[in-house]
Amino acid sequence: DQQVKQNSPSLSVQEGRISILNCDYTNSMFDYFLWYKKYPAEGPTFLISISSIKDKNEDGRFTVFLNKSAKHLSLHIVPSQPGDSAVYFCAASDPNYGGSQGNLIFGKGTKLSVKP
Amino acid sequence: DAGITQSPRHKVTETGTPVTLRCHQTENHRYMYWYRQDPGHGLRLIHYSYGVKDTDKGEVSDGYSVSRSKTEDFLLTLESATSSQTSVYFCAIREGRGFTVHFGNGTRLTVT
Repeated sequence: DQQVKQNSPSLSVQEGRISILNCDYTNSMFDYFLWYKKYPAEGPTFLISISSIKDKNEDGRFTVFLNKSAKHLSLHIVPSQPGDSAVYFCAASDPNYGGSQGNLIFGKGTKLSVKP
Repeated sequence: DAGITQSPRHKVTETGTPVTLRCHQTENHRYMYWYRQDPGHGLRLIHYSYGVKDTDKGEVSDGYSVSRSKTEDFLLTLESATSSQTSVYFCAIREGRGFTVHFGNGTRLTVT
């Protein structure tokens, strides 16, 4: 049973516009959320994170929003650039799984294509 | 760069043969992980380690074993490879007390 869901396998956006990637989760005990970006033939790279006690975190063009009541988070990329084309994974930390910081549980990913 | 090296980067093996993948880190991180990535499944945790000789199972551990005899090395072994284990395998480390996990560049394993 999937605890972290990315329901859109793919997303296509025009360069310069906003990209919004969504993620839903089922476990209210998750205490930390992360987004990773993955290019082909490379490992995932950490992008941005947010604690469950916050509702927004911003880093340059990337902003993550957390809505705990809806168990939903989203990643906004503004403005989108062709180099942002990659697969984006949402991940959640489960404090009851794997020690004090918790193991990460990943969604299936969303492939973002930013067209020039 | 989190100082993670995976070897080999690519491997083709036959069904029923044993395979060992190696993960080496240079920064003395306590926590290390093995994930597999498959189309339609995202990243799934196979095994993890929280110190030398301390390991535990992840969500897809069947058919895999691990060993960590030194802080810097975390080995993943497929005792008898099957075609369902064809995948891309990623090693990862956790930084200190934080939540962020950093990944190696992966090993693409094909079992024929």
